[in-house]
Amino acid sequence: QKEVEQDPGPLSVPEGAIVSLNCTYSNSAFQYFMWYRQYSRKGPELLMYTYSSGNKEDGRFTAQVDKSSKYISLFIRDSQPSDSATYLCATMNRDDKIIFGKGTRLHILP
Amino acid sequence: DTGVSQNPRHKITKRGQNVTFRCDPISEHNRLYWYRQTLGQGPEFLTYFQNEAQLEKSRLLSDRFSAERPKGSFSTLEIQRTEQGDSAMYLCASSLAGRTGELFFGEGSRLTVL
Repeated sequence: QKEVEQDPGPLSVPEGAIVSLNCTYSNSAFQYFMWYRQYSRKGPELLMYTYSSGNKEDGRFTAQVDKSSKYISLFIRDSQPSDSATYLCATMNRDDKIIFGKGTRLHILP
Repeated sequence: DTGVSQNPRHKITKRGQNVTFRCDPISEHNRLYWYRQTLGQGPEFLTYFQNEAQLEKSRLLSDRFSAERPKGSFSTLEIQRTEQGDSAMYLCASSLAGRTGELFFGEGSRLTVL
């Protein structure tokens, strides 16, 4: 089993819709969870960084961690065409190694 | 520009040649990571440094790969005797120890092995 599992998509939604992106992870010891956004031919950029369980909100973005089910989510409200990108979930093990999922390709249709 | 800088941005080489990539991290960052990314995949961990010390190297990394960070500033990643399977984007990222999950990535160095 991979340490971080993520559906690669692609996921296409109309502009203005709420987007839900999800990942699962295998190791219950993981404490830090991140979402990165990657545009084509660019390096990933950090979107959200959360510790342990709960929700964190930043503008149109909400990150959610459910440690009991080892499930992490990213919600995007009022989605815009500029949100079209690949979204990578990531977690950090006890050796400070950041492990990424495969990424989900998101298309926001105007 | 005070972000992470990687050079060259694109390298085309023939199988069997050696290549070297350079990464200049954000100046105050003491952690530096190398990742490899192929099409449709997430970044795959290769190695990371705290200052000049290499703390971990992926078991997936063959002996043909070596990385250095001689003075705790810039880093180089060398691939010897390149193979077609080495074709990928090589990403460098830096962070502050204690804020390790907050990686700042460069734009990557794309390697094409013919």
